[in-house]
Amino acid sequence: DTEVTQTPKHLVMGMTNKKSLKCEQHMGHRAMYWYKQKAKKPPELMFVYSYEKLSINESVPSRFSPECPNSSLLNLHLHALQPEDSALYLCASSQELGNNQPQHFGDGTRLSIL
Amino acid sequence: AQSVTQLDSQVPVFEEAPVELRCNYSSSVSVYLFWYVQYPNQGLQLLLKYLSGSTLVKGINGFEAEFNKSQTSFHLRKPSVHISDTAEYFCAVSDNNYGQNFVFGPGTRLSVLP
Repeated sequence: DTEVTQTPKHLVMGMTNKKSLKCEQHMGHRAMYWYKQKAKKPPELMFVYSYEKLSINESVPSRFSPECPNSSLLNLHLHALQPEDSALYLCASSQELGNNQPQHFGDGTRLSIL
Repeated sequence: AQSVTQLDSQVPVFEEAPVELRCNYSSSVSVYLFWYVQYPNQGLQLLLKYLSGSTLVKGINGFEAEFNKSQTSFHLRKPSVHISDTAEYFCAVSDNNYGQNFVFGPGTRLSVLP
């Protein structure tokens, strides 16, 4: 069982829909991350939050909008997505934002855009 | 900026045989090194990490890795694999430049055959 919980596990949406992905951790971690992973590829970093503030945005299109309402929760709001956005979206957390900090991953949300 | 190479995209091996998955990195500064495993339909799980100290690092599930600074390598080994070790393995590196995060290698698919 993972200590980072992501919901939903699967999501199918049309290009005009608005949906949200949710991530929760109760390990007291202060850094949280969103990654996108295409099939047979490594995860690609999208956003990093540190102490609930956006720290890194890897030039992600504005149709992806992250939100960190508190230290345990991280959301990813989706709007007007494209078919190429279909992927596994992974959330991760670490004790702090630091390069010696291992990241703990959730099992992901598998997103399909019709 | 750092980069990670995993030369073998696929490694088939028979059950109970030893295995080595190769990882090489490039970085101009000191690095931290990680191995993650991803089972089908799951997120990434930390196998082991090298931060400092002993160059031989032991991880979960009987895996170990050795940091070799002169060869800029961090190869993963297991003396006897099981069918359940079939998964994708990612090497990751981060350096001590604050704000830089993980760079993942392309992954190695380990297939354990009966």
